[in-house]
Amino acid sequence: GIQVEQSPPDLILQEGANSTLRCNFSDSVNNLQWFHQNPWGQLINLFYIPSGTKQNGRLSATTVATERYSLLYISSSQTTDSGVYFCAVERTSGTYKYIFGTGTRLKVLA
Amino acid sequence: DTAVSQTPKYLVTQMGNDKSIKCEQNLGHDTMYWYKQDSKKFLKIMFSYNNKELIINETVPNRFSPKSPDKAHLNLHINSLELGDSAVYFCASSQRGQGSEKLFFGSGTQLSVL
Repeated sequence: GIQVEQSPPDLILQEGANSTLRCNFSDSVNNLQWFHQNPWGQLINLFYIPSGTKQNGRLSATTVATERYSLLYISSSQTTDSGVYFCAVERTSGTYKYIFGTGTRLKVLA
Repeated sequence: DTAVSQTPKYLVTQMGNDKSIKCEQNLGHDTMYWYKQDSKKFLKIMFSYNNKELIINETVPNRFSPKSPDKAHLNLHINSLELGDSAVYFCASSQRGQGSEKLFFGSGTQLSVL
């Protein structure tokens, strides 16, 4: 099956710093999403981004499907950005099977 | 107004018992899912339903039985609970074919089997 690896596995930042999280996948995909799991366990959908670039406030994401990776950029990080970030991919559209990556655990220090 | 709600939030039970987790979504979505998150935070799909029909059963033991009485509900019943079933179970929903097939998750049910 498809492998979804995220890097780095752990990241510690000072408030105000910028960061880039990466998601690599081993096969072509039709759909890709990014999620933030906050310290209370809630999974929040950040982006639906099968290709191209999207921005939402301090967050932006880019997926280069032909090269099998996606990037999540966090600018001017805040303590509320802490948590685990996941990417999830769907190999073939209509399979209803999103495979989650290994996650990046982010801690932002005040 | 919670979009995907699941109950209970916490479930503590003894080995061998049977328990259920309920999930409801008010987003009008046609697809619902159950995911399991283990102690290392790894998220794995268990089941997906589209229009009440089972689409994916991801090699889950048959002690786990999902039931979808209608498009807005997907419940999970677990028989003969084992220690290894301890995890956080998430329900999710999405809508196909509208240009953005975002997954929306419930707040999770933390199951502890003693």
